Amino acid sequence: EPEVTQTPSHQVTQMGQEVILRCVPISNHLYFYWYRQILGQKVEFLVSFYNNEISEKSEIFDDQFSVERPDGSNFTLKIRSTKLEDSAMYFCASSPIGGRGSGNTIYFGEGSWLTVV
Amino acid sequence: GDSVTQMEGPVTLSEEAFLTINCTYTATGYPSLFWYVQYPGEGLQLLLKATKADDKGSNKGFEATYRKETTSFHLEKGSVQVSDSAVYFCALKGGSQGNLIFGKGTKLSVKP
Repeated sequence: EPEVTQTPSHQVTQMGQEVILRCVPISNHLYFYWYRQILGQKVEFLVSFYNNEISEKSEIFDDQFSVERPDGSNFTLKIRSTKLEDSAMYFCASSPIGGRGSGNTIYFGEGSWLTVV
Repeated sequence: GDSVTQMEGPVTLSEEAFLTINCTYTATGYPSLFWYVQYPGEGLQLLLKATKADDKGSNKGFEATYRKETTSFHLEKGSVQVSDSAVYFCALKGGSQGNLIFGKGTKLSVKP
C-alpha cells in the first residue's frame, strides 16, 4: 500500500541552526501538508501546498518556516534559526485532492522527531 | 473558527470492556469527520471517517456515527483488546478550512 515517507526519523540540532525535514508524498496525490505535535499536545496544522504554492498556512507558520517541492517527488520543510520550542514531531501528509469541504482522507507519514538543544 | 473537543484522558480499561470516547465539534458548513489513531512510537493512522450526517464509519471493530443534531462523532468499540492501547484523535476537515483540525487526543490504556 502506498505510504508517505519521511526522513530523518529523528534529528537533534543546536539552537540557531537550520533544519530541513524531507517527505515523499504518495505519488498520485496533489495536496501536501505539514503538521506539528509538541510532546503531549495536540496535532497542529502548519501549512498546505498545492500546485507549487502554499494554499493555506497557520499562525505558527511564520517567516522562520518555508516549504518547497524541489522535484517531482520530494516535499520539504525548512526551519531556520531553530528555537527550543521548535522541538516537536513534524508530520508530513498528502491527499489526492483537497480544499475546503473535501472529505478526502489525508494520509500521514510516521513523523520526524526534531529535538533542539 | 472550527474546533474539535474530545474527552480528557487517560482512559484505562480492562480487556473486553466497552469503550466510548466522546468527540464534539464546531464548524461552519458541512465538515467531514475522522478518527485517527497513534500507536506508541508510530505516526498517525486513519481509523475511520464519515463524510455526511448519519453516516457511520467503522474499522477494526470501532464505530462512530456523524450526528449533526448533536454535533458529535463519538468513538465506540464493544470489546477492547490490549493492542488497542494508543492515543485516539478526533478531527474534522472542511467547514471553513481545507486542513484537518484535531482534538487534543485521548490516551487509551487497555490492561489484560
